[in-house]
Amino acid sequence: AQTVTQSQPEMSVQEAETVTLSCTYDTSESDYYLFWYKQPPSRQMILVIRQEAYKQQNATENRFSVNFQKAAKSFSLKISDSQLGDAAMYFCAYCSSLEYGNKLVFGAGTILRVKS
Amino acid sequence: EAEVAQSPRYKITEKSQAVAFWCDPISGHATLYWYRQILGQGPELLVQFQDESVVDDSQLPKDRFSAERLKGVDSTLKIQPAELGDSAMYLCASSLGVTNTGELFFGEGSRLTVL
Repeated sequence: AQTVTQSQPEMSVQEAETVTLSCTYDTSESDYYLFWYKQPPSRQMILVIRQEAYKQQNATENRFSVNFQKAAKSFSLKISDSQLGDAAMYFCAYCSSLEYGNKLVFGAGTILRVKS
Repeated sequence: EAEVAQSPRYKITEKSQAVAFWCDPISGHATLYWYRQILGQGPELLVQFQDESVVDDSQLPKDRFSAERLKGVDSTLKIQPAELGDSAMYLCASSLGVTNTGELFFGEGSRLTVL
């Protein structure tokens, strides 16, 4: 079974600075998807960024980018120019391309605090 | 903007009581998921529906949990009897179909406290 590990329970960043959240995963599959989801306090979880394992190029979405290291099974999220609205719980998630349906396996999450 | 609706947002109950949660997915979304998120942990899939059919309930504790999506639209998750360990956030999510894009749309969740 696939597992996702987020080793940083909590991180802090100064507004306008850059922060990197770490994620490692374990799988025997070669084709899969990786995601970062954001869960703001008392609000719904939303997709931040997605990476297909067959793509070597790292995904970017505005201030959010990933560092995908397939051999190392590492998938970190970099947030540039951090804003107060970035404060949330961030979940790394894995999705097999072989299993039926969008079954996501989540990590335990990292709480990101943004200081003004 | 279309959202996944869940109710109630908060529920406090005593152990051995019955509790039910309701979810209305985004219109047109064929796939519906119920996740359980225990404090300090990531969400774990309980049950997945494709239209009105259950496609995965392998992690659903069937002795006390049940889920249905009778008309393939909204869904109800029931717990009877509730136990202390059931205290958690219950998240509903939906997606257009089962192709593995991984983009799920989540509701705000129903937080259950069992006393």
